[in-house]
Amino acid sequence: GESVGLHLPTLSVQEGDNSIINCAYSNSASDYFIWYKQESGKGPQFIIDIRSNMDKRQGQRVTVLLNKTVKHLSLQIAATQPGDSAVYFCAESTPFYNQGGKLIFGQGTELSVKP
Amino acid sequence: NAGVTQTPKFQVLKTGQSMTLQCAQDMNHNSMYWYRQDPGMGLRLIYYSASEGTTDKGEVPNGYNVSRLNKREFSLRLESAAPSQTSVYFCASSDRDRGLEKLFFGSGTQLSVL
Repeated sequence: GESVGLHLPTLSVQEGDNSIINCAYSNSASDYFIWYKQESGKGPQFIIDIRSNMDKRQGQRVTVLLNKTVKHLSLQIAATQPGDSAVYFCAESTPFYNQGGKLIFGQGTELSVKP
Repeated sequence: NAGVTQTPKFQVLKTGQSMTLQCAQDMNHNSMYWYRQDPGMGLRLIYYSASEGTTDKGEVPNGYNVSRLNKREFSLRLESAAPSQTSVYFCASSDRDRGLEKLFFGSGTQLSVL
């Protein structure tokens, strides 16, 4: 089956620096990608999503970049804050008519922000 | 607005015992899901329900059953719990059938099977 994976399992950054979390996906049919943040003891929270007809999307302090040529997804967090410390998951979805459009999650990257 | 509510938050079972995890959403979503989360494994889909009255197996359905009681509620049942089912369970919902795949998650149920 297809899988979604992360290049780095842990990332430690200094407060105020920018963070980049990477994700590789292998299903070329995936057309929707999403990032979630999960704080300890809580459920995953939506951060930002992007469809395959786009290569960049920006939110508040976050940017998602999609490179379909190399099947790579990244999440950039600007001016990282201690409150950004969490595990970040990427997920992919195929179109509804193919495999039911279910979200497949990667293993996660733990982001640690040093004050 | 409560979103997705799961009960209980914590549960300890002995091998062979049964239990039902409850989930309810108040966002009028058609689709609901049960995931389990294990260390280093990410979130794995157990079962999902695309709409009221339908359920389908996900990636890891063995040992579980589900019931979509109505549009709001989707329960997960362990008939005979096994230590391998020790995990954190998350319920989620979405409006996938309207092209909105974003999942909203509950806060999780931490289950230990001894």
